[in-house]
Amino acid sequence: EAQVTQNPRYLITVTGKKLTVTCSQNMNHEYMSWYRQDPGLGLRQIYYSMNVEVTDKGDVPEGYKVSRKEKRNFPLILESPSPNQTSLYFCASTPRMNTEAFFGQGTRLTVV
Amino acid sequence: AQSVSQHNHHVILSEAASLELGCNYSYGGTVNLFWYVQYPGQHLQLLLKYFSGDPLVKGIKGFEAEFIKSKFSFNLRKPSVQWSDTAEYFCAVIRMDSSYKLIFGSGTRLLVRP
Repeated sequence: EAQVTQNPRYLITVTGKKLTVTCSQNMNHEYMSWYRQDPGLGLRQIYYSMNVEVTDKGDVPEGYKVSRKEKRNFPLILESPSPNQTSLYFCASTPRMNTEAFFGQGTRLTVV
Repeated sequence: AQSVSQHNHHVILSEAASLELGCNYSYGGTVNLFWYVQYPGQHLQLLLKYFSGDPLVKGIKGFEAEFIKSKFSFNLRKPSVQWSDTAEYFCAVIRMDSSYKLIFGSGTRLLVRP
């Protein structure tokens, strides 16, 4: 089944403790991206990647890192999480630029 | 900066009522347009998309949307809603001359009463 898989689905952590949210897609898509969803703000892009080893900042990249060492994986790294990063995070992949995105199930992160 | 506006943040309807959700974008060039739906506790799923051609596009579950270029709008419609349409709906836009960036509106929460 074609899908985008994120882990974990739920995470509660403390301020400053490094964490990684994994994202994997099995559709051989070149483009992948991370979004955060906050009430009243919709989804905002954090980072995106157009191919292996090619990443770029989205609209809200501060406090986040990403890497794209393999085509299928695009982890999101929070080196020192803060409470304002409490949010619902979605990974997405798309086969070509400017076409529709396929979303993962989401990761609800709480930073206390 | 490009923006996508969804003017209705919350909509409450009774079953069988007609639905229209507004979406306007601010960019004047060529765009690809999307409507996504997010059912409670789930991820976003594509309802429909417009790239070119007939400005009236049909999607899944009886939804349709009309692209009106002169009004920079892409409104979502459904003639008769069901309780199962309760969800949050997001309009999204990609500029065709930019790097890959899907820009979302703030969403509209639809509650359909049985």
